[in-house]
Amino acid sequence: GAVVSQHPSWVICKSGTSVKIECRSLDFQATTMFWYRQFPKQSLMLMATSNEGSKATYEQGVEKDKFLINHASLTLSTLTVTSAHPEDSSFYICSAVRSGSLQTQYFGPGTRLLVL
Amino acid sequence: GQQVMQIPQYQHVQEGEDFTTYCNSSTTLSNIQWYKQRPGGHPVFLIQLVKSGEVKKQKRLTFQFGEAKKNSSLHITATQTTDVGTYFCAASRNPGTYKYIFGTGTRLKVLA
Repeated sequence: GAVVSQHPSWVICKSGTSVKIECRSLDFQATTMFWYRQFPKQSLMLMATSNEGSKATYEQGVEKDKFLINHASLTLSTLTVTSAHPEDSSFYICSAVRSGSLQTQYFGPGTRLLVL
Repeated sequence: GQQVMQIPQYQHVQEGEDFTTYCNSSTTLSNIQWYKQRPGGHPVFLIQLVKSGEVKKQKRLTFQFGEAKKNSSLHITATQTTDVGTYFCAASRNPGTYKYIFGTGTRLKVLA
């Protein structure tokens, strides 16, 4: 149990376009999901906390108008990278916390974004 | 802000040798988690430590939480090639919160 999926697994887009990434908890409900980005050979940087039914909480330095997060249901959170630029190219990973799971995060497989 | 540092950054060991990575926080923590990320993969949860001085074992892996709850360690006995990957600690400062700050990670390479 505790499977988290992400779609797409990788995407290549032109500069200036918007890209939507979906994060789904497949077999459990997640009131809280997290979005991270990871540059090659670096650690995971927390971007924002996504709570079902409320606005996301963004970490310092993360532009909320550029990285739009929507947590419309207990099993789905989406991250939209608006007007993507080459510097947005990264590995984006979501995680979901199952209610009553002692704060264990279950990570999705990640989405590799390349902006040309 | 809260910083979580891990040392060493890289470690190459011969198969069968032991390995230890250390995680240090600038602030007192509520609890700490450890994750393993294989090359090209995503982090996989290993364990959570909550109590001061806590020690937990998983087969060849031993996890320890410092008495002051500011540091932690992961020790692998007799490494195998399957241990290859990056080990991250993730620290939480506030009890009851799901928010964790990831450490800088230690990349382990095991030579057969």
